[in-house]
Amino acid sequence: QVQLQESGPGVVKPSETLSLTCTVSGASISGYYWSWIRQPPGKGLEWIGYIHYSGSTDYNPSLKSRVTMSLDTSENQFSLKLTSVTAADTAVYYCARNQYLPHDVFNFWGHGTAVTVSS
Amino acid sequence: IVLTQSPGTLSSSPGERATLSCRASQNINHNHLAWYQQKPGQAPRPLFYGASIRATGVPDRFSGSGSGTDFTLTISRLEPEDFAVYYCQQYGTSPVTFGQGTRLEIK
Repeated sequence: QVQLQESGPGVVKPSETLSLTCTVSGASISGYYWSWIRQPPGKGLEWIGYIHYSGSTDYNPSLKSRVTMSLDTSENQFSLKLTSVTAADTAVYYCARNQYLPHDVFNFWGHGTAVTVSS
Repeated sequence: IVLTQSPGTLSSSPGERATLSCRASQNINHNHLAWYQQKPGQAPRPLFYGASIRATGVPDRFSGSGSGTDFTLTISRLEPEDFAVYYCQQYGTSPVTFGQGTRLEIK
């Protein structure tokens, strides 16, 4: 059974960098596309981007200038960095596995981690 | 691609049929349209992909249909556990986008 678990600080100060890690168990990170999705409080879902085990990435144009994704195959983890955060970045952040394609249905999700941007 | 879901809120009773709509601002390539169910405090759960292919473990009272720009999620007979928020998602064109959601509430 594939399981994903997000981790990282629950509070980030405005203008600083949000850093999250997703630890994968039950499957190797190799061979799949891995995504980040976020959900502001009481709102809908926004795709942030994906990373492939080869290192290829694609980011949502709305966030592209501030997003970097990376992965660590030795730890079976992948990570998200979002720079220059504002209150608008307050959300639950989910990591997920794409089914097969770079852009695909997300068939496994983490439980999500809430991040608040506040001084 | 902008996805517009309707209605925003649907009030129904257990045992009734529910029909949820997702309309795209342009054609969705290869009918790459997915549906998710989300309950409070939980991650979304995939229900369908490819517009009509049921995900693992999804009861057959759920069905997905449609093509091009118009897609539908139908629940034939509502069970108490079906009351939740439902999202559609297109993955035919980057960036992946989601609809704003339909809240299915108990009447």
